[in-house]
Amino acid sequence: ETGVTQSPTHLIKTRGQQVTLRCSSQSGHNTVSWYQQALGQGPQFIFQYYREEENGRGNFPPRFSGLQFPNYSSELNVNALELDDSALYLCASSWDYGTGELFFGEGSRLTVL
Amino acid sequence: KNEVEQSPQNLTAQEGEFITINCSYSVGISALHWLQQHPGGGIVSLFMLSSGKKKHGRLIATINIQEKHSSLHITASHPRDSAVYICAVRSNNDMRFGAGTRLTVKP
Repeated sequence: ETGVTQSPTHLIKTRGQQVTLRCSSQSGHNTVSWYQQALGQGPQFIFQYYREEENGRGNFPPRFSGLQFPNYSSELNVNALELDDSALYLCASSWDYGTGELFFGEGSRLTVL
Repeated sequence: KNEVEQSPQNLTAQEGEFITINCSYSVGISALHWLQQHPGGGIVSLFMLSSGKKKHGRLIATINIQEKHSSLHITASHPRDSAVYICAVRSNNDMRFGAGTRLTVKP
């Protein structure tokens, strides 16, 4: 148990729709990061939030956006869904954005039809 | 060329064997993570290194910052060690991942 929970665990959307994925971090962890993992591939970094501000972003378009809240929860929003957005989305929290150990949630598996 | 290279891609071992997985990277880093992913998706952090060596049970991780290389060793391997092992490096405010090493330990 990492103390990081994600919801929903599975969901199906259609192309063009919007989705919000949620992550509840460990208490005291001021950093949350989000990753996309396509089937059979390694994770890819989407972005990171530190104290409610985005402070790092991977090679993902602006339709991927996020929020981090003071209660250690966060959201990943994806607009205008595309078929290639089908993947496992993982969040990880840590107490420090530079050198903190990562605690991963179990992920949300998104299927876009 | 990927910024984080892992080898081997696939590894099959007999129970009890000593296993080494390697990771080389080409960027400056603040930390290197070794992660374990079992079928079904969940990722567990095994080690976070910025220098030297760490040991936890049968697992040992080392890093050589000058050579930009890290190794994960598993002593006395067991079938429950079967998983994908992923090396990830934190560079600035970005994370770069290796493609993973799929380990199968046979009884």
